[in-house]
Amino acid sequence: GENVEQHPSTLSVQEGDSAVIKCTYSDSASNYFPWYKQELGKRPQLIIDIRSNVGEKKDQRIAVTLNKTAKHFSLHITETQPEDSAVYFCAASIFLGGGGQGFSFIFGKGTRLLVKP
Amino acid sequence: NAGVTQTPKFRVLKTGQSMTLLCAQDMNHEYMYWYRQDPGMGLRLIHYSVGEGTTAKGEVPDGYNVSRLKKQNFLLGLESAAPSQTSVYFCASSYSVNQPQHFGDGTRLSIL
Repeated sequence: GENVEQHPSTLSVQEGDSAVIKCTYSDSASNYFPWYKQELGKRPQLIIDIRSNVGEKKDQRIAVTLNKTAKHFSLHITETQPEDSAVYFCAASIFLGGGGQGFSFIFGKGTRLLVKP
Repeated sequence: NAGVTQTPKFRVLKTGQSMTLLCAQDMNHEYMYWYRQDPGMGLRLIHYSVGEGTTAKGEVPDGYNVSRLKKQNFLLGLESAAPSQTSVYFCASSYSVNQPQHFGDGTRLSIL
């Protein structure tokens, strides 16, 4: 079946450094790629997303890049802060059948980011 | 505007018992989803719905049933709970295809 691989599984950086998380996907029909941040015991929350007609998107300290040919996309966090510590999930859209109406995401297994003060 | 609300937040069951998890959204979203989250496994789709009165299987549907009688509600049922169903369950909703999913706070379910 389709899958999304996410690396690394854990990432430790010093406050102020940059962090990069990479994902690869298998479904060539995927065209929407959100990133979620999940703090301990909380719900996943969308932090940034990118669509297949865009190669890069930025929102303050967060950016996402997409290479559709290579089927990989990455999350970049600059000037990391202790409050960035959380688990980050990438996801790729998939169509589940039912005449194309069924739609959801395949999620990566997550990256635990620790930002040390 | 509460977003996506899940009840209950915690529950402990004995093997063989049944229960229903309720998800309610007030954003008029068409699509609703149930996921389970296990350590190291990310989020896995159990069942989903593309509109009122419709349901379909996701990646890990065995042992679960769902119903979407009203657009705003999506129910997840466990008919005969098993220890392997111990997990955190998240409900999510989205407006349409290729739109972000909004998650509830989750239900932590333990089955002894």
